[in-house]
Amino acid sequence: GAGVSQSPSNKVTEKGKDVELRCDPISGHTALYWYRQRLGQGLEFLIYFQGNSAPDKSGLPSDRFSAERTGESVSTLTIQRTQQEDSAVYLCASSLAETDYEQYFGPGTRLTVT
Amino acid sequence: GQNIDQPTEMTATEGAIVQINCTYQTSGFNGLFWYQQHAGEAPTFLSYNVLDGLEEKGRFSSFLSRSKGYSYLLLKELQMKDSASYLCAVREENRDDKIIFGKGTRLHILP
Repeated sequence: GAGVSQSPSNKVTEKGKDVELRCDPISGHTALYWYRQRLGQGLEFLIYFQGNSAPDKSGLPSDRFSAERTGESVSTLTIQRTQQEDSAVYLCASSLAETDYEQYFGPGTRLTVT
Repeated sequence: GQNIDQPTEMTATEGAIVQINCTYQTSGFNGLFWYQQHAGEAPTFLSYNVLDGLEEKGRFSSFLSRSKGYSYLLLKELQMKDSASYLCAVREENRDDKIIFGKGTRLHILP
C-alpha cells in the first residue's frame, strides 16, 4: 500500500519568498506530525494534528510558519518570508494513534533558502 | 518541561555489542520509541516500550525503566549497515499523545 508521500522532494527558494510543503498521510491515519531536521541534527517537533482536535502548534519557531490539515487527509506547511536558517529537511509522519503508535515517515522535503 | 537526552556519537566494532542510553523528563508518559535513521533517509521504527522490562527483536533489544526515566537500545552482532543515527522518542500522555524526539545518537561501526 501507499506510504506517506511529500512534495516537492527538493525546493530551492530565494530569501524572502513564501514556500508551501505538502504531506499526504497514509489513508485512515488520524495523527499527523511535521518535524524539521537540520543537517546532522535531530528531529525538531513543529506541529501535531490529531483527529478533530485543535492542532498542537507549540513547536512552530515563529509566526512565519503555519500549517493546515484538511480533515484527516492532506496537510500543508507554509513558510512565509523564508530565511536562510529555514534551510532543512522537513519531515512529515502519520500514525493511527488509537491502536498503532508507530509513526510512518515520508521521504521529506529538502528546503534550501539562498 | 520536556527533556530527552542521549549521547551525541558512539563508535563500536563490527561483531561487537553496543548499548545506546536515553533518559527523559516529560509531561506524562505513554511509551518510548526507538527509530533508526540512515544518512539522507527518513527514520524507520525499531521498537516501542510502554511497560518496564526488556523487549527483544532479533539483534536489537530495547529496555525501559519508567521509575528511572531511562531506556536503552542494545544492538548485538553489529554489522556495517548498522551505522546510522538512533533516535529516542517519548509519547506524552498529557498532551494528546504528542511524540517528542531526542537529538539522536550517531553510531559509527568500524571494521
